[in-house]
Amino acid sequence: ETGVTQSPTHLIKTRGQQVTLRCSSQSGHNTVSWYQQALGQGPQFIFQYYREEENGRGNFPPRFSGLQFPNYSSELNVNALELDDSALYLCASSFFTGSEQYFGPGTRLTVT
Amino acid sequence: DAKTTQPPSMDCAEGRAANLPCNHSTISGNEYVYWYRQIHSQGPQYIIHGLKNNETNEMASLIITEDRKSSTLILPHATLRDTAVYYCIALNSGNTPLVFGKGTRLSVIA
Repeated sequence: ETGVTQSPTHLIKTRGQQVTLRCSSQSGHNTVSWYQQALGQGPQFIFQYYREEENGRGNFPPRFSGLQFPNYSSELNVNALELDDSALYLCASSFFTGSEQYFGPGTRLTVT
Repeated sequence: DAKTTQPPSMDCAEGRAANLPCNHSTISGNEYVYWYRQIHSQGPQYIIHGLKNNETNEMASLIITEDRKSSTLILPHATLRDTAVYYCIALNSGNTPLVFGKGTRLSVIA
């Protein structure tokens, strides 16, 4: 059983650019949640996808968008990058009726 | 979801039990107590959860007071690899978006 994987590991972008981060969920999990973790802070919920539909969203602007594919993998897209978007982006997969979420190692995004 | 309060940091000697407290005095009857930890630069890791009974798994034990207003996570024999930030979270179900506070930074010392 493979765990949650994320790509890329690290990424450097310039302000105003767009970025796509990818997440492969753990085998059999149908729900993916994305979190942003700024340096020194706890992770903050961005949104959750269940069976390819958005199933909840945190306090993030519309330039943060996502997608879930039929195999339950997911993408996080961020448009018009700002310096404050620099953070560790975490993906977590779970069963919709499950008890716990399993996190990937994260993607470290730096916006210059 | 109920707010939780944890001490910002704790130290524990290697091989000793680490007891991490969490206050959740406003927890509602259908909210579980969840514990996750985050080792430096890694994704958070689920540890254990419970509703009102004490729980134990291969990683830890969770002791919840009878009034459910507080709980303690116990790592029975802490190792250096247990050094991490530990988060106590109250939520209705495991798939609910997790609301992370500042957690407790546990340092296990040789």
